[in-house]
Amino acid sequence: DQQVKQNSPSLSVQEGRISILNCDYTNSMFDYFLWYKKYPAEGPTFLISISSIKDKNEDGRFTVFLNKSAKHLSLHIVPSQPGDSAVYFCAASAYDGNKLVFGAGTILRVKS
Amino acid sequence: GAGVSQSPSNKVTEKGKDVELRCDPISGHTALYWYRQSLGQGLEFLIYFQGNSAPDKSGLPSDRFSAERTGGSVSTLTIQRTQQEDSAVYLCASSSSGGAFGNEQFFGPGTRLTVL
Repeated sequence: DQQVKQNSPSLSVQEGRISILNCDYTNSMFDYFLWYKKYPAEGPTFLISISSIKDKNEDGRFTVFLNKSAKHLSLHIVPSQPGDSAVYFCAASAYDGNKLVFGAGTILRVKS
Repeated sequence: GAGVSQSPSNKVTEKGKDVELRCDPISGHTALYWYRQSLGQGLEFLIYFQGNSAPDKSGLPSDRFSAERTGGSVSTLTIQRTQQEDSAVYLCASSSSGGAFGNEQFFGPGTRLTVL
């Protein structure tokens, strides 16, 4: 039972364009969402987060959008850079929880 | 300062053997988490330690899995009588306090376990 789903295993984008990574969840108790980025042979690193009281959070080139009614969130990277090429994981947590539930990840390739 | 470290980075073992995986969290971090990532899957929560509280073991897949955290710092994940389905990357993370809200988890590089 996958509570957090990233339906696109991979995404290829031209440098300078926008990358949009999508994530869907099923558990209505989730109210905190995070994106992590992972390079090969390294652990995931935190990128950006959003709580359910917001519908948008922005940090530089990275913006996360949350649509609670659709149980959907997305990560926008603009402009995309070759160094953004990595695996991106969506994760979620319930208010009274501390464990993160992760999606399977999306491989992003930014072509120069 | 040093990040989360894990050892060994790679471990190959034979089915039925026991293995121990080690995690050194960031100094001063009170919360420590173990996850694993099987091929093609997302990270799966295993266990969570917070200070002196009883650990949250709800993610451990079987009683062959156990973990300890000594002195509120280093943690060891032990897998007894390993099976081939235990093959995965085991990731440790730590954070300055428990709970997910505004509380970034810092991950180590992981231990890749291969059970032959």
